[in-house]
Amino acid sequence: GPKVLQIPSHQIIDMGQMVTLNCDPVSNHLYFYWYKQILGQQMEFLVNFYNGKVMEKSKLFKDQFSVERPDGSYFTLKIQPTALEDSAVYFCASSLVGQIYEQYFGPGTRLTVL
Amino acid sequence: GDSVTQKQGQVTLSEDDFLFINCTYSTTTYPTLLWYVQYPGQGPQLLLKVTTANNKGISRGFEATYDKGTTSFHLQKASVQESDSAVYFCALVYQGGRALIFGTGTTVSVSP
Repeated sequence: GPKVLQIPSHQIIDMGQMVTLNCDPVSNHLYFYWYKQILGQQMEFLVNFYNGKVMEKSKLFKDQFSVERPDGSYFTLKIQPTALEDSAVYFCASSLVGQIYEQYFGPGTRLTVL
Repeated sequence: GDSVTQKQGQVTLSEDDFLFINCTYSTTTYPTLLWYVQYPGQGPQLLLKVTTANNKGISRGFEATYDKGTTSFHLQKASVQESDSAVYFCALVYQGGRALIFGTGTTVSVSP
């Protein structure tokens, strides 16, 4: 079936540094999402993105976070600067417009902030 | 606000056992309730969708139903196989249908 790719699978950085998480969504999907999962807790919605704009964001989507998809390339989540509490697995997802319930998820990027 | 609660953290079964997982939900709107499954090393994938219109969803031998009276929804399978070992998440569509709220997940382990 359709696959979402995430690069890298694991990233270790020092607190205060910038990090960019990359997502290659399903090719004909136009809605993109990021979710955050801290170990042992539930996956929580961060943001969704459509037509070059953030449509919705949660309170977890801090000012240090930003998303973009320049020229149809990777859909990215940037954190600048990072904090210890940003350590988590970040899942990217995509969906067709109007089929928000059927989101296709990538395998996740495990971010460790030291 | 909208929420889902999934209390069963771990379920251990043998092949051909009956599987039953329960979630409760809270929402002010007509719910679209989902079950996602996550296999090791992969992201979650949609298994079943249940709405107030259809009350029940069936896929790959799994059946999902919901009970409006108790605001709960269930996932069941009559006879599990070792390949069904995975983490199962219940989820709710919210925010005008633009995001998902997930439960904490139930790890199902099936031994041969």
